[in-house]
Amino acid sequence: QQQVKQSPQSLIVQKGGISIINCAYENTAFDYFPWYQQFPGKGPALLIAIRPDVSEKKEGRFTISFNKSAKQFSLHIMDSQPGDSATYFCAAGAGSYQLTFGKGTKLSVIP
Amino acid sequence: KAGVTQTPRYLIKTRGQQVTLSCSPISGHRSVSWYQQTPGQGLQFLFEYFSETQRNKGNFPGRFSGRQFSNSRSEMNVSTLELGDSALYLCASSLGPAGTGELFFGEGSRLTVL
Repeated sequence: QQQVKQSPQSLIVQKGGISIINCAYENTAFDYFPWYQQFPGKGPALLIAIRPDVSEKKEGRFTISFNKSAKQFSLHIMDSQPGDSATYFCAAGAGSYQLTFGKGTKLSVIP
Repeated sequence: KAGVTQTPRYLIKTRGQQVTLSCSPISGHRSVSWYQQTPGQGLQFLFEYFSETQRNKGNFPGRFSGRQFSNSRSEMNVSTLELGDSALYLCASSLGPAGTGELFFGEGSRLTVL
C-alpha cells in the first residue's frame, strides 16, 4: 500500500517539446505529492509539489496534474530544454508516513 | 544557510566489514530520513528519525540501523556488509515529519563493497 509506481523509466524529448511523466499511488491516506529533480552527482531537490485540494499546480514551465479518484498524478514540462535533462522522481507522503518515492524517470532533452 | 552535509562522500569496504555514515541536517530541522539509491530501484526508504525517535522504518534487514542525536545529527550503520549494499546513501532533513513537507537532500555517501 506504500508503493508509488512511476512511468516511463526513460524519456527522450526534442528541445521545445512537452515531457510527461506519470505516477500512481495506492494509499488513500497520502496527502502530499512532490516531484524531485536530480542531476548527476547531486542529491534530489524539490521541483514542485501539490496537495489533493487542487487538481493542478503550475510553476513556470512545470505543471502537476492530480486526479484524486484515479489516484494518479503527473508532471508536465513545457518547452523542454537541454538543461532539464535529469532524473525525476515522484513521491507521496502523509503525516504518519515516510515520503515514498517512485523509481525515477531519466529525461534526456535533445537539441 | 548551510545545506545537509554527509560524510564521508566516498568509501570502499570489503564484505563482512561494517560502516558508519554521518549526516548533519540543516540547522533547525528536526527530521532526518535515510534512503538507499541504486540504479533501477530509485530511492528506497531506510528510516526516519524525528527528535531522536525513529518514526518509520523501511523494509531492510536488521544489519541496517540508525540513530539521531540531541543536536539532530544522525548516523546510520551497516554491519556485515554484502556486495549488494553497494549504493549511494542519501540523507535528507526537514522541519517537520518527512511525509508532510520539503525534504532537503545531501549529496550522498557512495559506498562500494568489494
